[in-house]
Amino acid sequence: KNEVEQSPQNLTAQEGEFITINCSYSVGISALHWLQQHPGGGIVSLFMLSSGKKKHGRLIATINIQEKHSSLHITASHPRDSAVYICAVLPQGGSEKLVFGKGTKLTVNP
Amino acid sequence: ETGVTQTPRHLVMGMTNKKSLKCEQHLGHNAMYWYKQSAKKPLELMFVYNFKEQTENNSVPSRFSPECPNSSHLFLHLHTLQPEDSALYLCASSPYIAGTEYSYEQYFGPGTRLTVT
Repeated sequence: KNEVEQSPQNLTAQEGEFITINCSYSVGISALHWLQQHPGGGIVSLFMLSSGKKKHGRLIATINIQEKHSSLHITASHPRDSAVYICAVLPQGGSEKLVFGKGTKLTVNP
Repeated sequence: ETGVTQTPRHLVMGMTNKKSLKCEQHLGHNAMYWYKQSAKKPLELMFVYNFKEQTENNSVPSRFSPECPNSSHLFLHLHTLQPEDSALYLCASSPYIAGTEYSYEQYFGPGTRLTVT
């Protein structure tokens, strides 16, 4: 069982909809990352957080350390948001080894 | 331009070939990483270099051989690969490696799509 579970695996939305992608993990962590991977492979770091909430444009990331859960929200979704969204955690203990979820494939239709 | 470049972008090689993947970062970072991304699997860390020194080898077969001549360049030398090694190989860099209680954003290159025939 992967230490990082994402849901849903696939998500299709209409332009303008509010999107939520969830990430649950089973170990104590130092930090959690949200990444975006577009078709073709390139990965962009969206957020790195260890508590609370961060916002960047239409993207919002939250984390609940006690519940070992994080969510990525996209407001007013747009077709250009179509991508795979990946959650990754840095387990406590000093290792630089990120543990990744399998990703959530988001398709936003016009 | 992401600041991290990888060449080639696509590579097809036979099982008896020897090839190398190259990664270069222009961000002044001190840590560099090789990842493997296979279809329907999470990203897997392969190697980590910190200030040119290898700090992590995630049980990678010896047919993959990394080289980090300086903090800006990272190579992955490939020889006698197997078809199951076909994947997207991603390079990343970060200012430093993560510590006990903190992490750093990693900046990824576009990847090399490798097909082993």
